[in-house]
Amino acid sequence: DTGVSQDPRHKITKRGQNVTFRCDPISEHNRLYWYRQTLGQGPEFLTYFQNEAQLEKSRLLSDRFSAERPKGSFSTLEIQRTEQGDSAMYLCASSYPRTGVNGELFFGEGSRLTVL
Amino acid sequence: GIQVEQSPPDLILQEGANSTLRCNFSDSVNNLQWFHQNPWGQLINLFYIPSGTKQNGRLSATTVATERYSLLYISSSQTTDSGVYFCAAFTGTASKLTFGTGTRLQVTL
Repeated sequence: DTGVSQDPRHKITKRGQNVTFRCDPISEHNRLYWYRQTLGQGPEFLTYFQNEAQLEKSRLLSDRFSAERPKGSFSTLEIQRTEQGDSAMYLCASSYPRTGVNGELFFGEGSRLTVL
Repeated sequence: GIQVEQSPPDLILQEGANSTLRCNFSDSVNNLQWFHQNPWGQLINLFYIPSGTKQNGRLSATTVATERYSLLYISSSQTTDSGVYFCAAFTGTASKLTFGTGTRLQVTL
């Protein structure tokens, strides 16, 4: 069990550029989540996938954000035309829910984005 | 959606002291987790505890689901316990974990 891995760990970009983050979940975990955390706040839900299907998106996920999980394994989160307000830690988590029970979530180390 | 509140927001302890962190939630839950966020930002799983009591070394947690609260106990605190502690919960009909605002713990020598 190698845990949830995220790449890159840090990204500095200029306003207006596009960035993409990758998340590799724990193998056999069929649910994958993206969260965003800003300084001094708790993580906030962005979106989640059950296998390859994106089942819920938060209102925080503007049309500049897109997430994919094409084969039900790794996922990518792309932010287009970045703004300074997008600066945050982007966290990925995975779980293996069982019938009637939401499974325990395990988080990766996060991808810290700084938009200049 | 569910509301998750944590108290106290900040806590300063001397090494060796004990502490209790509280998490109140507004709805019945079928998943409650406690995390420790380390200085590099990673969320470390402490407990998965929708009900009952669990212990892991110097840490223990109790969730009283009928009264909608959970407690995290830290005994004989060490400087490495410093960081932010988050409580997060799922309701039965929700599909996502909702986090509280955290308790920032500082353990001094």
